[in-house]
Amino acid sequence: AQSVSQHNHHVILSEAASLELGCNYSYGGTVNLFWYVQYPGQHLQLLLKYFSGDPLVKGIKGFEAEFIKSKFSFNLRKPSVQWSDTAEYFCAVSPISGTYKYIFGTGTRLKVLA
Amino acid sequence: DGGITQSPKYLFRKEGQNVTLSCEQNLNHDAMYWYRQDPGQGLRLIYYSQIVNDFQKGDIAEGYSVSREKKESFPLTVTSAQKNPTAFYLCASRSKAFGSGTRLTVV
Repeated sequence: AQSVSQHNHHVILSEAASLELGCNYSYGGTVNLFWYVQYPGQHLQLLLKYFSGDPLVKGIKGFEAEFIKSKFSFNLRKPSVQWSDTAEYFCAVSPISGTYKYIFGTGTRLKVLA
Repeated sequence: DGGITQSPKYLFRKEGQNVTLSCEQNLNHDAMYWYRQDPGQGLRLIYYSQIVNDFQKGDIAEGYSVSREKKESFPLTVTSAQKNPTAFYLCASRSKAFGSGTRLTVV
């Protein structure tokens, strides 16, 4: 079955701590990979995306993600979180061909303590 | 089961026609959103509504219109003014609730 798994549902960190959010996907073809952030009361915003090329992708606000094809993973990282990073984070995949669809993970709610 | 229902899954439109995409939710969420995805890009916000009878333009609202007469429903109309309507459209409500999307193709 096609799916995206985010294993951390709730994460609480102190400011300046490092962040890594896991994302694994199951899909029998080539996909594009995304991380989105949703701040409280706001819409989804794209953090970063991977289509091809360098598997280490840098996004906005100091976030980066690494695509490891052999592990079907696309983990999100940030070396030092800030209180303003408190939000919900979604991993998503979209097949590059065939049926047009978007598969979201269940989200990780991050709380950063000041 | 609670969730967001988008219909139709695939839609074909002739140039110059308006077309309406349906989005219904039974989650009792106040906020609803419409996004568009084009090849090579992430989702972009078209319109959103935080409450019944109120809605706001997103980043790419030109050529689109919405209504929010009921909490459960947030239809999106792609008007003839939208110059490049062929795309994948995704409806969502607050946090974790996404529709399955509608693929619109102009023929």
